[in-house]
Amino acid sequence: ELKVEQNPLFLSMQEGKNYTIYCNYSTTSDRLYWYRQDPGKSLESLFVLLSNGAVKQEGRLMASLDTKARLSTLHITAAVHDLSATYFCAVDPNYGGSQGNLIFGKGTKLSVKP
Amino acid sequence: NAGVTQTPKFQVLKTGQSMTLQCAQDMNHEYMSWYRQDPGMGLRLIHYSVGAGITDQGEVPNGYNVSRSTTEDFPLRLLSAAPSQTSVYFCASSPDSSDYGYTFGSGTRLTVV
Repeated sequence: ELKVEQNPLFLSMQEGKNYTIYCNYSTTSDRLYWYRQDPGKSLESLFVLLSNGAVKQEGRLMASLDTKARLSTLHITAAVHDLSATYFCAVDPNYGGSQGNLIFGKGTKLSVKP
Repeated sequence: NAGVTQTPKFQVLKTGQSMTLQCAQDMNHEYMSWYRQDPGMGLRLIHYSVGAGITDQGEVPNGYNVSRSTTEDFPLRLLSAAPSQTSVYFCASSPDSSDYGYTFGSGTRLTVV
């Protein structure tokens, strides 16, 4: 059974600081997704990582995937208040071909303070 | 394109009642899935489908039924609602390669009293 663990679960940051959210998963997978959720809202897709070594960047966020270590990171650079949200990683448990199901981590609630 | 449309947005049920949560997408996506979100639990997969006529169980399928008669629609049925099914329900869809990620609906907030 695939398990997806995120840490930390809660993160309070100061504006301008850097930090990394970690997503570990327990079985072989080659597809990983990062989502953002604002309170009371739906999930917004941030990154789709489809191979070992994949790195994607959008603004102050950068995501990477190491399938051998079964680890993905979401790095935040020079945080701003607008990044305050809950961030989820989700793993496709079907190595080599998707079947339409994802297993989510519990989420990291990020709060960026002045 | 409306994307993924979920109805209703809010619902209160009494224990033992049944209801259907609707999910429709207009993007011709093959993959559709249902998740529930509870505080501190992330999203947990209930049922999913890789195409019309094909469904499978996820992590927490008990108490829920699904069917997929068309590509566009993937309704979730609660057979006999229980307070433990109080949650926010999200429907998602993706093209069959899932290389472009999944699109989520706006959610249905269900309370069972």
